[in-house]
Amino acid sequence: DQQVKQNSPSLSVQEGRISILNCDYTNSMFDYFLWYKKYPAEGPTFLISISSIKDKNEDGRFTVFLNKSAKHLSLHIVPSQPGDSAVYFCAASATSNTGKLIFGQGTTLQVKP
Amino acid sequence: KAGVTQTPRYLIKTRGQQVTLSCSPISGHRSVSWYQQTPGQGLQFLFEYFSETQRNKGNFPGRFSGRQFSNSRSEMNVSTLELGDSALYLCASSLMGGQPQHFGDGTRLSIL
Repeated sequence: DQQVKQNSPSLSVQEGRISILNCDYTNSMFDYFLWYKKYPAEGPTFLISISSIKDKNEDGRFTVFLNKSAKHLSLHIVPSQPGDSAVYFCAASATSNTGKLIFGQGTTLQVKP
Repeated sequence: KAGVTQTPRYLIKTRGQQVTLSCSPISGHRSVSWYQQTPGQGLQFLFEYFSETQRNKGNFPGRFSGRQFSNSRSEMNVSTLELGDSALYLCASSLMGGQPQHFGDGTRLSIL
């Protein structure tokens, strides 16, 4: 069973516009969520995270929103840049297993110039 | 500050052999986790080590094992390799086992 789901395998956005990547989870024990970006031949790079006690966290062009009742989170990138083109992974963790991350399948973002 | 270092970057083995992968965490980080990435299954958690003790384990067969040394460096071993073990193996470290984890660039293991 897939506890973290990214239902959109790919997303294409014009440079300068907003990119919205979505993630759903099923396990109510998850209380910490992260987004990672991955380029080919490199490991995932941490982007931004959010604790379940918050519903929004911002870091520069990146904002993560958490809707606990819907078990849904999203990553907004504004404005999108061609260098943002990569695979984005959503990941979740439960407090009791903080060294263990459950990942979604990833969404490939393409930002067109 | 040096990141997470994984060696080797690429490895080719044949079925039935065994392999050892190495991971050096970020200096000061005491938790090391290992993940397997395949096209079909995505990124899957293998196990986590903290202060030389396995603290969490994923749903992988006993052929997959690991250990952590007193300097926090970690090794992962896979015995009796199968074709399905072909994957990118990623190591991640964090300060105390919390988040976020920081990843290395992985070891690409190919089984012939």
